[in-house]
Parts: sequence; structure tokens; C-alpha cells
Amino acid sequence: QVHLEESGPEVVKPSQTLSLICNVSGASLSSGDYYWSWIRQRPGRGLEWIGFVYYTGNTYYNPSLESRVSISIDASKSQFSLRLNSMTAADTAIYYCARDIDSGDNTYFDTWGRGSLVTVSS
Amino acid sequence: EIVMTQSPATLSVSPGERATLFCRASQSVSSNVAWYQQKPGQAPSLLIYGASTRASGLPVRFSGSGSGTEFTLTISSLQPEDFAVYYCQQGETFGQGTKLEVK
Repeated sequence: QVHLEESGPEVVKPSQTLSLICNVSGASLSSGDYYWSWIRQRPGRGLEWIGFVYYTGNTYYNPSLESRVSISIDASKSQFSLRLNSMTAADTAIYYCARDIDSGDNTYFDTWGRGSLVTVSS
Repeated sequence: EIVMTQSPATLSVSPGERATLFCRASQSVSSNVAWYQQKPGQAPSLLIYGASTRASGLPVRFSGSGSGTEFTLTISSLQPEDFAVYYCQQGETFGQGTKLEVK
């Protein structure tokens, strides 16, 4: 049974950098079968994909956030991380980590963490 | 960038009845569409991938269909636990969601 769990601060001050970690159990982050993604959901809104990291460390980001985001992976610790800088109130959201299956023909998120609510406030 | 448009935004259906949710892609995406269910206070949960393949353990009352630009999620006989928000997804893009509520 694969389990993902986010951890990090609940409150971030404006202009600061958000750092979140996703701890993964039941799956190896050294496997090339999956990508590892971050997705957010702002209050009352839909889902917004932030980006993913592959086991090689290769990344791909949402163009709308690319200038502020960094995702990294540490397979030895079974975790991957999100950093989002220059936070504003518009970044207040629930941040989810998710396992991303991309077979070429199909792309989908089969396992999600419970989510981490991050509020930007001074 | 592909845009996924869901309709309706809200669907009111009585328990036991059939619900049909729609998702349209701005260009052809073959069968590369997934559907998710999100209940209040919970993370989204995968229902369907490849337009029509059920996720493991999904009740058979859920079915997906479509290809190209038009996709459908059908729930054949609504159970109380099915009232939730449903999202379609293609690649890195999600639709805006359909809220399925009790009529």
C-alpha cells in the first residue's frame, strides 16, 4: 500500500519561501515507473498542477509558476520536496503531493497525500 | 495548452438515479483522460484513467467513455456517498469540476 504524506509550515509570511516535504512509503522513489508531482487547490477553486520530479532529478514545471518553483527528490530518504518562493496571498492553498503515472498513452495521479493547508499571512 | 471544460458546473440528481458528467478537451487528446472524485476535506481520488479504465476497487456503477475531445463519466445508480465534486484531467490540466448534489 503506497502512502504519501505532506509536511511543512501551516503559515508563511508574504515574500518568504514555502518548503514542503512529501514522505513516501510503500514505493521506491528510485523506480523509473513513476513521476512525483505537487498539485495545489486554492480556496473554492479547482486543482492546479505545480510540477513533477523524476527519479533522475529531472523536473518539469507549470509555466505559470516556473520562475518561482523548485522540486527535488531524495530517494535515500523516500521523499521529494517543493520550494515556492516569493509567496503572496494568492498562493494560499492546500498543497498535495501525488504519484504520477505517465505511460505515454495515459497520464494520471493514482495516489495522493492528504494535503497540507498553507496560509500566507503576516 | 489544452483546456478541459466540464459541464454542468452543478448537477442535481436524486439518489438511485443516473448521473452523467461531461468533459470537453480543446483539442484531441485520444483517450488520455482521467476522472477524480473529491469529497469535502479530502484529497481527490482516482476513479477512471485512459477514459474508460476503472481504478482498482471502483464500483461498477462508475463508468467512463469517450475519445478525442468529448468524454463522459456516468454513475448508474447514485449512492449517498457519491455526492461530491468530480474533476476530469488530461496531462497536467484539470477541468474546473462538477459538483454533484442531492436533488
